[in-house]
Formats: sequence, structure tokens, C-alpha cells
Amino acid sequence: EDQVTQSPEALRLQEGESSSLNCSYTVSGLRGLFWYRQDPGKGPEFLFTLYSAGEEKEKERLKATLTKKESFLHITAPKPEDSATYLCAVGWDDKIIFGKGTRLHILP
Amino acid sequence: DGGITQSPKYLFRKEGQNVTLSCEQNLNHDAMYWYRQDPGQGLRLIYYSQIVNDFQKGDIAEGYSVSREKKESFPLTVTSAQKNPTAFYLCASSTTGKGQPQHFGDGTRLSIL
Repeated sequence: EDQVTQSPEALRLQEGESSSLNCSYTVSGLRGLFWYRQDPGKGPEFLFTLYSAGEEKEKERLKATLTKKESFLHITAPKPEDSATYLCAVGWDDKIIFGKGTRLHILP
Repeated sequence: DGGITQSPKYLFRKEGQNVTLSCEQNLNHDAMYWYRQDPGQGLRLIYYSQIVNDFQKGDIAEGYSVSREKKESFPLTVTSAQKNPTAFYLCASSTTGKGQPQHFGDGTRLSIL
């Protein structure tokens, strides 16, 4: 059973069209929720860590939020350069468990 | 600039051959990790090490081996026992302690000749 589920699997947006990516998790004893951006043929680039429900982090057009069961990555007025796969991961025990990612494509 | 360097970027393996992927970090991190990434799947943990001269198996360690003789280096050997080695391999490092984010290199793509 998946412990970290990301939705949707893929998302196409027009430039400037805001939306949200979802990451739901079932682990107990969460030790950090992480968001990464991955470009094709590259390693994941760390974006944010969230530790407790209600916490929010922002970077340029991205804002990550956390509840007790899920996290959202909000993308405001995206640009084509925001196109990438966004990975969510949860810290549990001494490991990090990754979701399968959301492929985001921003059309100019 | 601090970071993680993986080499080579592309690697080809012949039948029955062992190959070694290099991972070097200058972030002064104690913990290092190897993941495998296949299309449509999340990152899967192969091996990890939290201190020099010590390492643990991850979820898919069969057919792989590692060493950790130096803090900066964590090479991964893909042995001939790994029957489906074609994948994108990612090395990561972090400070120790629960809830610490991992930082990644740019990966090695391994293919079979």
C-alpha cells in the first residue's frame, strides 16, 4: 500500500493559470515533509521542508502547506520555466519515502 | 560550491560485468544514500550509510554493493547478479538526524549493451 500518494500524475496549465498539486500520506510519526523539483535527466532539487500541520513555506511562485494528512504545493501564475516533475517525500523513522511525482507542463 | 558529484553521467554494462558508479560530496554530510529511479515509479532506496565504515541495506539491495571508506565518497557497484540494472541512479546526502532533507546529485543513467 502506497504511503505517499501524489495527484494528479500529470497536469497541463496555461501560463498564468494557478493550480495546486496534492501529496497525501499515511505514515504516523511524520518527521518532515519535503518537496523537490526534478527536471528531465537531472537529480531532484530540494525546495521545502514542512514539519508541522499549519506550517507554510514560500519560494517565488510556489507555496507549500501542510495538514495532518496531506500537503499542497500551490503554483501561482506559473511560467513555462516552472515545467518539471514535482516530488513529495515524507520522513518516517530514519528513512524518507518518495511519491511518484506530478509532471507539470506550463504552456506559453 | 558545495554539492554532490556523480560520475559518469552515462554508463553501459555488458552481460556478466560489474560496474561502479561514483558519488562524491563536499557538503560535509555524514549520511549518504543511493536510489534507483524507474519510469512511473518513485525513488527506491538501495543502500544508505550514516557514518564512515558502516552502511545498511535499503528496500532493493539485491544485486548491489557499496563501500564507505571516506566521508566524502559512497560508490555503488552494480553486480552481474542484478538482472534488470537499466535505470537512473541517484546519490544523495544529508546531515544526520531525523527529518533532515536529502540533497541529490545529477544522476547516472545505466544501460545494458
